Amino acid sequence: AQSVTQLDSQVPVFEEAPVELRCNYSSSVSVYLFWYVQYPNQGLQLLLKYLSGSTLVKGINGFEAEFNKSQTSFHLRKPSVHISDTAEYFCAVSDHTNFGNEKLTFGTGTRLTIIP
Amino acid sequence: GAVVSQHPSRVICKSGTSVKIECRSLDFQATTMFWYRQFPKQSLMLMATSNEGSKATYEQGVEKDKFLINHASLTLSTLTVTSAHPEDSSFYICSAAHRDAGNTIYFGEGSWLTVV
Repeated sequence: AQSVTQLDSQVPVFEEAPVELRCNYSSSVSVYLFWYVQYPNQGLQLLLKYLSGSTLVKGINGFEAEFNKSQTSFHLRKPSVHISDTAEYFCAVSDHTNFGNEKLTFGTGTRLTIIP
Repeated sequence: GAVVSQHPSRVICKSGTSVKIECRSLDFQATTMFWYRQFPKQSLMLMATSNEGSKATYEQGVEKDKFLINHASLTLSTLTVTSAHPEDSSFYICSAAHRDAGNTIYFGEGSWLTVV
């Protein structure tokens, strides 16, 4: 079984400032890692995912994340945020045995609020 | 991109009645669909995994007789909340695995259920 911890429930950031949203996971097996964004009253949209290879993953909307196996982390970063980045962000994991039939375990989410 | 549509987006029903939520993959075939439940300001909790033509697999603690899932075709899965109670009020989200795109997951827009 896996678990995902998003330490920050809310993160306020000024527009054009950088941001990092933290995600740590625990699993007894190798995992795939995902970040999703949820805008108000909408479903989830995939930002990026780590499956294998380079530990630095680039996604949509200028976001990137780095997989750190030793620290079991997959923090999401953006160098300069925009008002339109205001949303809920979810980190998720899926273990390798489930890939191809992705059963995702989600963190509790981080609400990113961009301050003009 | 691939689209998953949920209907209705919002529904209010009386306590004791049943309500059906549909999840459709509009432009792809989905081998597997997933149903999640999300309480306000909380994460998504997987309720069940449904495969076309077979019985759904429910997560521990989810009552299969209360949350009936039917996956009649490769593009449609339905969730029926039977004998709904106010505590069933929640945001229900489905996702679908795109069979021809390496089972990439796409999420629906979600359905708000309010039981009064």
